[in-house]
Parts: sequence; C-alpha cells; structure tokens
Amino acid sequence: AQTVTQSQPEMSVQEAETVTLSCTYDTSESDYYLFWYKQPPSRQMILVIRQEAYKQQNATENRFSVNFQKAAKSFSLKISDSQLGDAAMYFCAYRSALSTSGTYKYIFGTGTRLKVLA
Amino acid sequence: DTAVSQTPKYLVTQMGNDKSIKCEQNLGHDTMYWYKQDSKKFLKIMFSYNNKELIINETVPNRFSPKSPDKAHLNLHINSLELGDSAVYFCASSPIGSLAGDTQYFGPGTRLTVL
Repeated sequence: AQTVTQSQPEMSVQEAETVTLSCTYDTSESDYYLFWYKQPPSRQMILVIRQEAYKQQNATENRFSVNFQKAAKSFSLKISDSQLGDAAMYFCAYRSALSTSGTYKYIFGTGTRLKVLA
Repeated sequence: DTAVSQTPKYLVTQMGNDKSIKCEQNLGHDTMYWYKQDSKKFLKIMFSYNNKELIINETVPNRFSPKSPDKAHLNLHINSLELGDSAVYFCASSPIGSLAGDTQYFGPGTRLTVL
C-alpha cells in the first residue's frame, strides 16, 4: 500500500525568507501524481502545486516550487519570499494511477504547520 | 461562485443522534469524496463516489453512509453519533477523464462536535 510521510509537524520561517517542507512517499507504481495542499485557518483546502511523476522537471508556481526526487521518493516544497499569508497547515498528497473502475486513490500525509514570523 | 460547498459549517449534537452533512459541487465533476480530519489534523479519505457508485470505502463504520442523489451532490449521513466522530469533515470533487483529472477541489469543511 502507498504511504505518505511528513516528518516535520511544525516549521517556522522569517518573513521574506525561504523555507522547505519535506515529504516522502512509498509506492510500487511508476505513474502517479504528487500534490501540496494548503489549509489556512479558514479550513479550506487549497491546491498549491502538483507534480507528474513522469516529468523530470520540477514544478513551479510563483513563489512555490518542488524538489522531486523520484528515485528517492521525495517531494519537498520550497516557499520563497515567505509572506504572513503563507501561514497554514500544508499537506503532501499522493494520487495513484487510474484504477480499472476509472477513479484515483488519494493518500494524504499528516501535515506540517508553517508559522511565518514578522 | 463557490465550487464545492458544504452545509452546515458547524454542527453540534448529542451522542446517539443522527445527522447529515450536505455537499454540492458546481464544477461538473464526475467523482466526489468525503474526508475526515481528526484533532491531530490527519486527513483520511472515507468515501468516493463515481457516477453514483461507491468506489472507495476506507474501513469506515457502517454508521456512516454516503448518499448521492445526483452527480453534483454527495451527502454524508451519520447514525448513532459517538464522541469519536467529532472532527472536521471535508467534501471534495475531481473530474474524470480530463487533463485536470488529477486535482481535487475541496469544500470549506464542516466541524462536527458530539457532546
């Protein structure tokens, strides 16, 4: 079975600095997607960035980028120029390959709480 | 317009009661999900519906039952509520068979408190 591990329950970063959140996963599949979701105090789950396993190039989305190491099964999120609004819970998620029934299975990590210090 | 909406936002009830949480998505997606987030923020998938068919059931007690009257709605019914059911419940949806089929869109969550 697939697993997703976020080993950092909490991280802090100074405003305007850079922080990296770690995520590792375990799977025997070769085709899958990885995601980072942000959950602010409002509790809404917001998609931050996604990475296709077949792509070697790391995904980027404005100040957010990932370091995808497929062989090491590592998928870290880098936030540059951190802003107060980045403070939230961040979840790493894995999406399995398409099943015969036409759906995907999602597995989430336990989350990392990011604090941004002014 | 809200893409995925849930009602109510907060729900406080007594043990033993039966309650429902409603979810609606206006994205035209084929698959909807229910997640439970416990006090430790661990997010666990409960159900997935694709074209009104239950696809995933992650060993959830049968007191929980999803009801999908149509593709745009997936309601969660909970019978005989227990203290351990207190959590935030998230509804989500995703398209199937499209280039964006790998992205889930989450609702705002419903905080259920069982007294």
